[in-house]
Amino acid sequence: GAVVSQHPSRVICKSGTSVKIECRSLDFQATTMFWYRQFPKQSLMLMATSNEGSKATYEQGVEKDKFLINHASLTLSTLTVTSAHPEDSSFYICSARRDGGGETQYFGPGTRLLVL
Amino acid sequence: QKEVEQDPGPLSVPEGAIVSLNCTYSNSAFQYFMWYRQYSRKGPELLMYTYSSGNKEDGRFTAQVDKSSKYISLFIRDSQPSDSATYLCAMSDSTGNQFYFGTGTSLTVIP
Repeated sequence: GAVVSQHPSRVICKSGTSVKIECRSLDFQATTMFWYRQFPKQSLMLMATSNEGSKATYEQGVEKDKFLINHASLTLSTLTVTSAHPEDSSFYICSARRDGGGETQYFGPGTRLLVL
Repeated sequence: QKEVEQDPGPLSVPEGAIVSLNCTYSNSAFQYFMWYRQYSRKGPELLMYTYSSGNKEDGRFTAQVDKSSKYISLFIRDSQPSDSATYLCAMSDSTGNQFYFGTGTSLTVIP
């Protein structure tokens, strides 16, 4: 158990367009999900904590109007990169914390975004 | 001072060697300790999960936590080329509201 999926796995888009990334916990409920960004050969950088039914909590320096997060159900959180620019190109990874299952985070496979 | 310190490596060992990966931390409130393995261009995969101090073994992997020294380790026995990846330590307090990753150690096991 504890499988997290992400869709799409890879996306290429033009500068100025918006991109939506989905994160799903397939076999457990997750009130809390997390969104990370990772540049090549660097560690994970937490962008925001997504809570079902409430507003996301963003880390310092992360623009909430640019990175829109919606956690509409206990198994789905979405991250929308609005008006994407080349500097937004990165590897975006979500994780989910199982409700009642301790503090471990289970990660999705990641989404590679390339903005041309 | 960072919450979690981890040597980034890279670490290169011959196949069959015992690998020792370590992290230190400063926050005595951390109660949960995890090791993740991340292959290139993939999401991190949970390897080991330990609560409080002690040892935990799973196959070729052993996780150790020494809360008195604020030091955690992951040992890999009989290392295989398929173990080549980046290993991230992570830790959390009892609420899960403080969750920190190490920077990751890049490991290469040479056949």
